[in-house]
Amino acid sequence: NAGVTQTPKFRVLKTGQSMTLLCAQDMNHEYMYWYRQDPGMGLRLIHYSVGEGTTAKGEVPDGYNVSRLKKQNFLLGLESAAPSQTSVYFCASSYTKNTEAFFGQGTRLTVV
Amino acid sequence: QQQVKQSPQSLIVQKGGISIINCAYENTAFDYFPWYQQFPGKGPALLIAIRPDVSEKKEGRFTISFNKSAKQFSLHIMDSQPGDSATYFCAASKGVGAGSYQLTFGKGTKLSVIP
Repeated sequence: NAGVTQTPKFRVLKTGQSMTLLCAQDMNHEYMYWYRQDPGMGLRLIHYSVGEGTTAKGEVPDGYNVSRLKKQNFLLGLESAAPSQTSVYFCASSYTKNTEAFFGQGTRLTVV
Repeated sequence: QQQVKQSPQSLIVQKGGISIINCAYENTAFDYFPWYQQFPGKGPALLIAIRPDVSEKKEGRFTISFNKSAKQFSLHIMDSQPGDSATYFCAASKGVGAGSYQLTFGKGTKLSVIP
């Protein structure tokens, strides 16, 4: 069982560049989430999806876009990367709300 | 506005001792309170969770105590082991209403268990 897989694991971007983070889950979960983790800040929700074709904003959505074209995939895009977006990004999925969320291994992104 | 406050930020415990991490929440609509454990370089993983219809839940050496009136819950790790050294996050979510899909996390506690 792969669970939740994130691609890539590490990335360095220059300010202004764009990139897409891919999250794939093989548990047939309806709900998927993107969080960012910064030192001393815990995990903060960027965007989430409650099903294929749906997306919604979380706590810190500015500068990010998402798409959920297929149930098993949730993409996080940065159109014009900024140093403030240097962080570790985690994707998670859950069967329904208020239940266990399964996290990927994270993507460490550095914007210089 | 931080809806889940976690303390302490860091904790050092001797092997065999009891580790206690506390969380307080503000939103009375929260009805699911999980604890996540995270090792360096890994994603968080669910450790144990509680719902407000019970005051305590125990799984092995890990216990959640829940005080609904005080809007507080805590994680107790009995007989702490070096392998328990990790960062622990409390979280809360609600089943209905705006934002009901969102887990709100505390800022984390870095636990170090020394031999």
